[in-house]
Amino acid sequence: DVKVTQSSRYLVKRTGEKVFLECVQDMDHENMFWYRQDPGLGLRLIYFSYDVKMKEKGDIPEGYSVSREKKERFSLILESTSTNQTSMYLCASSSPVYEQYFGPGTRLTVT
Amino acid sequence: AQSVTQPDIHITVSEGASLELRCNYSYGATPYLFWYVQSPGQGLQLLLKYFSGDTLVQGIKGFEAEFKRSQSSFNLRKPSVHWSDAAEYFCAVGAREYGNKLVFGAGTILRVKS
Repeated sequence: DVKVTQSSRYLVKRTGEKVFLECVQDMDHENMFWYRQDPGLGLRLIYFSYDVKMKEKGDIPEGYSVSREKKERFSLILESTSTNQTSMYLCASSSPVYEQYFGPGTRLTVT
Repeated sequence: AQSVTQPDIHITVSEGASLELRCNYSYGATPYLFWYVQSPGQGLQLLLKYFSGDTLVQGIKGFEAEFKRSQSSFNLRKPSVHWSDAAEYFCAVGAREYGNKLVFGAGTILRVKS
């Protein structure tokens, strides 16, 4: 079975702090994705990556950056957190067959 | 632009009753279609998918979905709902022309009453 793990389930940060969210997949998938999930808005794509060191902006990249130094690992970076970044963050991976596999999510609260 | 609509934000059904969750999409291409389920505090789990072929697809946990191209719909069904089906359900659409990205609907929260 595909396994996607995320470094933290819950995080509480103060405004202005830097946050790293790490995602690791064990199925050698080329594609990896970061979403944020907010009630009533579904999942919105922040960034995605088709290959190592490759990244592309999704629909809501402002305030975020990403890093993919190894194929299995995709990190989401919040350089200076703000309260409007309080959300559930979901990582996913896929092979080029479109079916995405999700991690358990990180619930980030910024106070 | 591509979009996915799940018209029902909340649905409540009695245990043992049938269920249908609606999904409509707007895509200028041949779509790939998915239904995911999310239990509280968890990630998303794939229920079923449609790429091509038979328009009625079977998934896990007794769910099925039917692709109707003429209606741009991919509704999820289950003949008899169990209390453990209470969760949030997401429809998602992709297409070869748009790379490996998926577009998700806003979700439908299913409540099951005993």
